[in-house]
Amino acid sequence: AQSVTQLGSHVSVSEGALVLLRCNYSSSVPPYLFWYVQYPNQGLQLLLKYTSAATLVKGINGFEAEFKKSETSFHLTKPSAHMSDAAEYFCAVSDQTAAGNMLTFGGGTRLMVKP
Amino acid sequence: DVKVTQSSRYLVKRTGEKVFLECVQDMDHENMFWYRQDPGLGLRLIYFSYDVKMKEKGDIPEGYSVSREKKERFSLILESASTNQTSMYLCASRAGGAVNYGYTFGSGTRLTVV
Repeated sequence: AQSVTQLGSHVSVSEGALVLLRCNYSSSVPPYLFWYVQYPNQGLQLLLKYTSAATLVKGINGFEAEFKKSETSFHLTKPSAHMSDAAEYFCAVSDQTAAGNMLTFGGGTRLMVKP
Repeated sequence: DVKVTQSSRYLVKRTGEKVFLECVQDMDHENMFWYRQDPGLGLRLIYFSYDVKMKEKGDIPEGYSVSREKKERFSLILESASTNQTSMYLCASRAGGAVNYGYTFGSGTRLTVV
């Protein structure tokens, strides 16, 4: 079974500072990895995904993530935080089970951006 | 643009009522999912379906049932709503075999049971 760990349920940064949200996974096979963002009272939107092409993946809103197999990590970064980035972020890994092609989600990280 | 539509954004129901949460997708996806989301608990899978009339229990199926009579529609049913079912409910879909694709989520239904 696959699992995802997001270190830090809450992260606070100042506007303009670097954003780093951590995600580590466990998988016995090469994984597909995803980052989602959820704004208050909304569903989840796909930010970016890793599907075994380039290890550095660029997503929407200036976010990017790097797949590091040796560290089993897929951390999400953004060089300069904006107030509008305040949201909850979920990392997920694809699990090729017999039915449903399940995604396994991490517990989420709430990003707060201070003015 | 592909879409997953949940019929209600906000819903208030009384304890003991039968509650239907509807989800419709227009992408011809085989797989559909129902999650509930609570503070500090992340996303928890209630039920999923990988085909019409097929359903599988997720991690927390107790107190819920589902129906999938048509490919595009996946309904979550609370047979007798209770206050501990107050939560945000999220529907998602995914194409069969599309392991390199994520889920497409609906906007969520925030259910309050009083």
